Amino acid sequence: DGGITQSPKYLFRKEGQNVTLSCEQNLNHDAMYWYRQDPGQGLRLIYYSQIVNDFQKGDIAEGYSVSREKKESFPLTVTSAQKNPTAFYLCASSLGSGANVLTFGAGSRLTVL
Amino acid sequence: GQNIDQPTEMTATEGAIVQINCTYQTSGFNGLFWYQQHAGEAPTFLSYNVLDGLEEKGRFSSFLSRSKGYSYLLLKELQMKDSASYLCAAHNTDKLIFGTGTRLQVFP
Repeated sequence: DGGITQSPKYLFRKEGQNVTLSCEQNLNHDAMYWYRQDPGQGLRLIYYSQIVNDFQKGDIAEGYSVSREKKESFPLTVTSAQKNPTAFYLCASSLGSGANVLTFGAGSRLTVL
Repeated sequence: GQNIDQPTEMTATEGAIVQINCTYQTSGFNGLFWYQQHAGEAPTFLSYNVLDGLEEKGRFSSFLSRSKGYSYLLLKELQMKDSASYLCAAHNTDKLIFGTGTRLQVFP
């Protein structure tokens, strides 16, 4: 079955540690996105990529980094520079370079201890 | 600037009809998405309006007025499983701008 796989589903991290969230899709979608969701707030865009080896900052990119070395993979690194990293992280993909219908992964919940 | 507004919470009774409103202000507007999100799960696509008017899809309908910067999602014959958050998102050039979501609780 085609879809988006995010891992891990739950992750605990100590302050000062970097952590990488995995996102893999087998939908042959060109564009991929990372969103952050906090209670009472909408989804906020962290980074997005419309094509391999290229990506753009979203609204809240500070403290995060990404790479797009393969079409099917778009990992997100939450660095120690991110001041408030505890959140629910959602990866999504869409067909084509425009924001067509997004298919979301199941999410990764990061808790910083 | 860019701004998407929708009510934070709504309640309704099983079998009833509920309308969730969304107003938006954004440059480069291409269309309006609605997604449904159950607690702790990924959002799933409900509808996408590009042109003005009402689009019906089973129990769910979505309306758009581009001149007013306004959309609504209409849910008919409510079921308990419709209890979820409903996210309004404006399609802005090459990305989506999401509202905070409306948490709908359906009571028996």
